[in-house]
Amino acid sequence: AIWMTQSPSLLSASTGDRVTISCRMSQGISSYLAWYQQKPGKAPELLIYAASTLQSGVPSRFSGSGSGTDFTLTISCLQSEDFATYYCQQYYSFPRTFGQGTKVEIK
Amino acid sequence: QVQLVESGGGLVKPGGSLRLSCAASGFTFSDYYMSWIRQAPGKGLEWVSYISSSGSTIYYADSVKGRFTISRDNAKNSLYLQMNSLRAEDTAVYYCARDLTTGGVDWGQGTLVTVSS
Repeated sequence: AIWMTQSPSLLSASTGDRVTISCRMSQGISSYLAWYQQKPGKAPELLIYAASTLQSGVPSRFSGSGSGTDFTLTISCLQSEDFATYYCQQYYSFPRTFGQGTKVEIK
Repeated sequence: QVQLVESGGGLVKPGGSLRLSCAASGFTFSDYYMSWIRQAPGKGLEWVSYISSSGSTIYYADSVKGRFTISRDNAKNSLYLQMNSLRAEDTAVYYCARDLTTGGVDWGQGTLVTVSS
């Protein structure tokens, strides 16, 4: 199985901040990585697929980068609706695996 | 629009069984691979199982292998998860998910399974 290390687990930030979340793989996965946003009591929503492609309808302040083993999700200018938990997921091989999650909270 | 509606969750005793269903609409169900993903209370996401569009290829997480069975009925636009020998650690919200050809998944709203005596 491919192990994923997502960091940080908790990120305190203010509206307008630029934030970055990291996801590191135990082996290379090319660009087979997705990022999701989850708000309390709700199902996750797809933000980015193929490491850097924005899902339709997702604001352009979200961006993804990386390939191989190291990936990053960046929110360029944090908005109030962005306070949530974020997960990375690899779909390169089975079992599919998720990062541990990063909770973005208000500072 | 795409809808994935799970049902069948509830309270079950350890060692018991439960069958989850997912009704799909708004897309051609038989064209898509499908998955079940779960989330224990206050915890992260855990992929559970995957089934190809025809049902010929199936994968399971080690944590459920031998206890859970995924299946689908393309004529009924439905996905299923038969869960046997349930344990307390299977307590979670179970999400039905559509694997997108571009990558990533669409999610249903989830159904809660609680395993407790």
